[in-house]
Amino acid sequence: GQQVMQIPQYQHVQEGEDFTTYCNSSTTLSNIQWYKQRPGGHPVFLIQLVKSGEVKKQKRLTFQFGEAKKNSSLHITATQTTDVGTYFCAVNSGGSNYKLTFGKGTLLTVNP
Amino acid sequence: NAGVTQTPKFQVLKTGQSMTLQCAQDMNHEYMSWYRQDPGMGLRLIHYSVGAGITDQGEVPNGYNVSRSTTEDFPLRLLSAAPSQTSVYFCASRKRLAGEDNEQFFGPGTRLTVL
Repeated sequence: GQQVMQIPQYQHVQEGEDFTTYCNSSTTLSNIQWYKQRPGGHPVFLIQLVKSGEVKKQKRLTFQFGEAKKNSSLHITATQTTDVGTYFCAVNSGGSNYKLTFGKGTLLTVNP
Repeated sequence: NAGVTQTPKFQVLKTGQSMTLQCAQDMNHEYMSWYRQDPGMGLRLIHYSVGAGITDQGEVPNGYNVSRSTTEDFPLRLLSAAPSQTSVYFCASRKRLAGEDNEQFFGPGTRLTVL
């Protein structure tokens, strides 16, 4: 099935610092989704990227899809304590639209 | 709309016991799925369904059964619980299989411990 590598596994920042997490695939992706999971909570959909080179912004969050559609990033500007959680990327696996494979996630902690 | 609901929230089983985790959605979504989440492993797909009467295996299906008799409900059955099935289980649904409006909605999860 589709493998997607997500780095880093953990990131600890001071409040106000920036944060970036990356997802990398060895194969071309049809699209990529990003989710956020607060501690003790469930994953919540953030965004889907479909087009090569696509950049989307949600307030302090910037999502990018690589030109070759093999990698993606999520960047948070000026982190806040409310950003704490695990960020996952998810991709369709095995050439199927039915199976959504998740990266192992990046756990972000923010020191106030 | 209640979204995706799961019961129970917590469950403790003994090895060899069977049980059913319930999942329901009221959004008329065709696609439903079950994931398990273990520390450091992310979310792994157990089974999924693309509509009533249609189910298929995901990445880690062994030890689990599913059925989809209605659009709303997608129960997950543990046939003979094993300690390796200790995990947090999430049910999810989405409206479309691909394209726009493809976001997946997750339930609150069931924390299962097998002793």
